[in-house]
Amino acid sequence: GAVVSQHPSRVICKSGTSVKIECRSLDFQATTMFWYRQFPKQSLMLMATSNEGSKATYEQGVEKDKFLINHASLTLSTLTVTSAHPEDSSFYICSAREVNSAKNIQYFGAGTRLSVL
Amino acid sequence: RKEVEQDPGPFNVPEGATVAFNCTYSNSASQSFFWYRQDCRKEPKLLMSVYSSGNEDGRFTAQLNRASQYISLLIRDSKLSDSATYLCVVRDGGFKTIFGAGTRLFVKA
Repeated sequence: GAVVSQHPSRVICKSGTSVKIECRSLDFQATTMFWYRQFPKQSLMLMATSNEGSKATYEQGVEKDKFLINHASLTLSTLTVTSAHPEDSSFYICSAREVNSAKNIQYFGAGTRLSVL
Repeated sequence: RKEVEQDPGPFNVPEGATVAFNCTYSNSASQSFFWYRQDCRKEPKLLMSVYSSGNEDGRFTAQLNRASQYISLLIRDSKLSDSATYLCVVRDGGFKTIFGAGTRLFVKA
């Protein structure tokens, strides 16, 4: 099946630093990618929808200046957590849907566990 | 009311048992339905899509009731390896995908 690669899998950083997370679709093209955040024992919460070649669409309550999204190609989207703080510590997961796929399935990256000290 | 609701559990069952999970959704315009499985500290993985006529994949059976707006997942002959959180996922005709909070299952020897 389709594969989504997410990197890095684990980040520990100091408060105030910026962290960049990459999401790649390895064997298919993804016009749209999704970024989720999941706190312990909670559901995935959609943060933003990333569209190739255009600005991302952010969900209500998600600061676009804090969570910068770039979707420069059909196989790569990046999420940058700027000036991270301890409350940003969470599990971040990207997801992609295959262009022109009749299956209509979302594939997930393995996630990035961010810990801000 | 949440857009997708699931019983959080946990469901504690012995090996070999049959267990069923239900999920309700609020948007009557929802078009696609899925069950995902998520292991602890891992990403969700697609278990199966849910079709209007109901569908089966080995020990797993999924059903959709559009009139009542609920989806079910039945697991027969539970295995230890079935222990996970099961996420009900609903998508509208566009790109909006809503995840349920998940139902935790523990299968014990």
